[in-house]
Amino acid sequence: NAGVMQNPRHLVRRRGQEARLRCSPMKGHSHVYWYRQLPEEGLKFMVYLQKENIIDESGMPKERFSAEFPKEGPSILRIQQVVRGDSAAYFCASSPRTGGAETQYFGPGTRLLVL
Amino acid sequence: DAKTTQPPSMDCAEGRAANLPCNHSTISGNEYVYWYRQIHSQGPQYIIHGLKNNETNEMASLIITEDRKSSTLILPHATLRDTAVYYCIVRERNAGGTSYGKLTFGQGTILTVHP
Repeated sequence: NAGVMQNPRHLVRRRGQEARLRCSPMKGHSHVYWYRQLPEEGLKFMVYLQKENIIDESGMPKERFSAEFPKEGPSILRIQQVVRGDSAAYFCASSPRTGGAETQYFGPGTRLLVL
Repeated sequence: DAKTTQPPSMDCAEGRAANLPCNHSTISGNEYVYWYRQIHSQGPQYIIHGLKNNETNEMASLIITEDRKSSTLILPHATLRDTAVYYCIVRERNAGGTSYGKLTFGQGTILTVHP
């Protein structure tokens, strides 16, 4: 059973460009979570999605950031008009469902560098 | 904010048991204790979790005190590859109280295993 997959693993963007980060959850998992780790800092929750629904976006910056998890295909974290402060590692996690405390399994992350 | 307190760093000799403490004095009755680790900026790796009872798996043991206000993660025979940041997390229910969502990471404990 393949783990959580994220691509690209590394992404370089210039200020003002758009960044699209993709996350394919583990097989059978319908819940996706995005976290961000700024340099030398801890992981911070951004957003929690189920298929076609945003469940909790309390950690998402108010502007420029959006996330989706369509019925088909991977979850996408989109950052518009990137700035240098967006440079970070972005991790995706998935879980099969949330009724009990289902374990989240993390992907390898996407390292975003904004020049 | 994280509901846990961990020592910032610990050392352990290779082959010896590593005992990582965690305080979570404000934990509620339906909140789980989770442990993850992050090896050199890789994606966080799930280790173990528990609610009330002690737990053991192929990676580690989790000892939760009877009052649930603290716990200890035990790596029985630490190896150099266990050098990582270890995160103790109290898994809270979401705002609606119907399910468990995000993980709130603190600063963790940097465990260094030396030869």
